[in-house]
Amino acid sequence: GAVVSQHPSRVICKSGTSVKIECRSLDFQATTMFWYRQFPKQSLMLMATSNEGSKATYEQGVEKDKFLINHASLTLSTLTVTSAHPEDSSFYICSARITGGGTEAFFGQGTRLTVV
Amino acid sequence: GENVGLHLPTLSVQEGDNSIINCAYSNSASDYFIWYKQESGKGPQFIIDIRSNMDKRQGQRVTVLLNKTVKHLSLQIAATQPGDSAVYFCAEKGGGGKLIFGQGTELSVKP
Repeated sequence: GAVVSQHPSRVICKSGTSVKIECRSLDFQATTMFWYRQFPKQSLMLMATSNEGSKATYEQGVEKDKFLINHASLTLSTLTVTSAHPEDSSFYICSARITGGGTEAFFGQGTRLTVV
Repeated sequence: GENVGLHLPTLSVQEGDNSIINCAYSNSASDYFIWYKQESGKGPQFIIDIRSNMDKRQGQRVTVLLNKTVKHLSLQIAATQPGDSAVYFCAEKGGGGKLIFGQGTELSVKP
C-alpha cells in the first residue's frame, strides 16, 4: 500500500525557534498533501492544503506566516512552525493523495512537537 | 458550515462483543465518507469507506452503514478484540478533496 513518512516523529524545541516537519510519499507521487494538527483527546483539524508547485491553501484562522508550507516536489511537503511558542505544542499529521488516483488519503505517522 | 460529529465520546465493550460507533454529519451534499482508526501516538489508519450511492458496505469484521435521510453514519465492528482499542473517527470529504473529521470515539475493549 501507499506509504507516507513523516520526520521527525518527535521534536522538542525552545520557544522562539523554528521547526521543520517533513512529509514524504515513499512509493507514489502526491500533487496534493494536507497538514493537520491534533490536540490531546481532540480530533484532527485541517490546517492547510499543500499543492505541488504552488502556494498552499490555508484554512480559516491558520496563520500562513506562522506555519510555512513548501511543496517543492511531487513526493515532499514541509511544514515549518516559525517562532514556536508553547501553545504550538501539538501533534502534527500530514496526508497525501495519489496523483491521478482516487479520493483516498494516506496518513503519515505524525510528529509530536513540544515547545519549551 | 460543514461539521461531522459523534454521539459518544467513549465506548467500552467486552471482548468478543460487537461494537457500534456512531457519527452524525451536517452536509447533505457530502458524497464520500471514511472511517479511520487512530492508535495512541500514531496517524489515522483507513478502515473502510462508503459513497453516498450506497447505504451499506462490509469489510473484514467491519460494516459501515449510511443513512442519508438522517445524515447518520455508523461503524460496526464484529467480535471486538483488544487490538481494536483505539480512537475511531469518521471523516467527510469536503471541497477540494480535503477531509473533515468528526470528534472521535474512544473504544476500549475489556478482556
